Amino acid sequence: AQKVTQAQTEISVVEKEDVTLDCVYETRDTTYYLFWYKQPPSGELVFLIRRNSFDEQNEISGRYSWNFQKSTSSFNFTITASQVVDSAVYFCALRGAGNTPLVFGKGTRLSVIA
Amino acid sequence: SAVISQKPSRDICQRGTSLTIQCQVDSQVTMMFWYRQQPGQSLTLIATANQGSEATYESGFVIDKFPISRPNLTFSTLTVSNMSPEDSSIYLCSVSSRVSGNTIYFGEGSWLTVV
Repeated sequence: AQKVTQAQTEISVVEKEDVTLDCVYETRDTTYYLFWYKQPPSGELVFLIRRNSFDEQNEISGRYSWNFQKSTSSFNFTITASQVVDSAVYFCALRGAGNTPLVFGKGTRLSVIA
Repeated sequence: SAVISQKPSRDICQRGTSLTIQCQVDSQVTMMFWYRQQPGQSLTLIATANQGSEATYESGFVIDKFPISRPNLTFSTLTVSNMSPEDSSIYLCSVSSRVSGNTIYFGEGSWLTVV
């Protein structure tokens, strides 16, 4: 069975601080895909990144960066110099091979205080 | 990415009534998934909807309560039947297609409050 664990339920930081959101996953698939989504208060789910299991390169996009480590089954997300607009719930998710649905973690609520 | 429109975006419903949520995509998609997100919770998969076949429901969800239609490759509906306050949730449509690869995109969600 597939499982995603986001141990941090809520995180609060002061603006301009760096913050890392943790994600640990479990799967028996050799091919799988990891995702991060942002859910602002308006409710929509915004796609941030997809990482394939065979590509362990870390990725940076502006203030966002992702650290994928298969050895520890982790896919952590770091926001550098956080801003108030980063306040949202962030979900880590896992998808197996084929036309399978996403399995979500419980989400981490990030509050960035001005 | 696919553009996904959901209707209604919000609604307040009376206990015992039914409501149908529509999901329209701007391109043909292979897979459509319906999720429920109860207040303060994560997303739970209700069912997978393939065009031309019956939807596949997850444990805890039944067709009588959540009938789904998928008449073509760009449209699906989810009905929440005989609603109770426990059905108050955000219902989200999501899609996967050859164009999107293995990325799944979501509609804006439909916020239902049952009173």
